[in-house]
Amino acid sequence: SQTIHQWPATLVQPVGSPLSLECTVEGTSNPNLYWYRQAAGRGLQLLFYSVGIGQISSEVPQNLSASRPQDRQFILSSKKLLLSDSGFYLCAWSDTGGYNEQFFGPGTRLTVL
Amino acid sequence: AQTVTQSQPEMSVQEAETVTLSCTYDTSESDYYLFWYKQPPSRQMILVIRQEAYKQQNATENRFSVNFQKAAKSFSLKISDSQLGDAAMYFCAYNAGNMLTFGGGTRLMVKP
Repeated sequence: SQTIHQWPATLVQPVGSPLSLECTVEGTSNPNLYWYRQAAGRGLQLLFYSVGIGQISSEVPQNLSASRPQDRQFILSSKKLLLSDSGFYLCAWSDTGGYNEQFFGPGTRLTVL
Repeated sequence: AQTVTQSQPEMSVQEAETVTLSCTYDTSESDYYLFWYKQPPSRQMILVIRQEAYKQQNATENRFSVNFQKAAKSFSLKISDSQLGDAAMYFCAYNAGNMLTFGGGTRLMVKP
């Protein structure tokens, strides 16, 4: 069966510091991968998605970037965090071919102070 | 652009009763999928039910069922015999190819 992991679970970082959140998927090959951000009490905002190694599409211009160095690894990064980057970050995967449901990881709660 | 609207920010239901959560969407596509996700306090997003737009029959999963009205672009979720564990945020989502568009969510409270 497929599983998706995210770490760290919780992170507190000062403004201006770098960020690296990691997501890995097991039990599937060539998945579509997604990064979402969720503000408190709000819906999900798609940040990035990837259909293959090295292929990243950005949905929202911002202080963040994403990379996919391996088939089942998706990394969310920032060189300098802003206060507005605080939130709950969710990684998800889906099978290729479109229309499919997405399966979510446990998320990372990021607080920027 | 597709949009998904959940007009009920909060709903409450008595344990063992039935509740219906509303969702409408806007699209020009004819082929798409719709989903309901549950997000409990742990914040893990859990798929509850899915509906293919080409199917007229409403999807059901145990106590969860949908009322899919394609012409009206409506996709409501009915929870029967509500349980305390059903308390969560519920998100409606639309997929017309690779990407999900989410509604703003409905917080469901279950009263014992």
